[in-house]
Amino acid sequence: LAKTTQPISMDSYEGQEVNITCSHNNIATNDYITWYQQFPSQGPRFIIQGYKTKVTNEVASLFIPADRKSSTLSLPRVSLSDTAVYYCLVGDLKNSGYALNFGKGTSLLVTP
Amino acid sequence: DTEVTQTPKHLVMGMTNKKSLKCEQHMGHRAMYWYKQKAKKPPELMFVYSYEKLSINESVPSRFSPECPNSSLLNLHLHALQPEDSALYLCASGPNGYTEAFFGQGTRLTVV
Repeated sequence: LAKTTQPISMDSYEGQEVNITCSHNNIATNDYITWYQQFPSQGPRFIIQGYKTKVTNEVASLFIPADRKSSTLSLPRVSLSDTAVYYCLVGDLKNSGYALNFGKGTSLLVTP
Repeated sequence: DTEVTQTPKHLVMGMTNKKSLKCEQHMGHRAMYWYKQKAKKPPELMFVYSYEKLSINESVPSRFSPECPNSSLLNLHLHALQPEDSALYLCASGPNGYTEAFFGQGTRLTVV
């Protein structure tokens, strides 16, 4: 079962900054936080990953507070093509291995 | 190169057929995954291979049989499937199973 909680949906206008927050209260010491983007009928696409503080790449920033119980994905100046489902993942260590389970994700709609 | 290749892209099979889905990666990743995704739902983890050994089976019915012939290949053998098994089947690979995973574009399976 997923260890994360996100808003079901968000709306934004083109050109705005979008922040999607994910709650992961039971995150373990060794867990990383990873965000994916998925368009219909396509495989999820890796966006960004972090362990603590702030991570930035060419498409997004990830903010992680010191307690690591939540994280925020920031998408600067979204466009219509950013309309997609965004998933936050935290691994689940089991006896036999490490599972990457998806939660319900956030459906982002960007309009003109 | 973060490419995971899945074949075929589409597959239609009868309930008495035997078929296989294939997945290939050449990134030297040591973890490989199978997921199943129904329409408008998040991907569901099925199997995890770590260093070519099956580490996680998420209580998947035996009509789905995974195989990892070598570190670059992952197969999913299908036998006696039901119409409700129709879904997008996604393969992913990751460097170590603890951090990010990269997904293929999936195989759209229809069971008739």
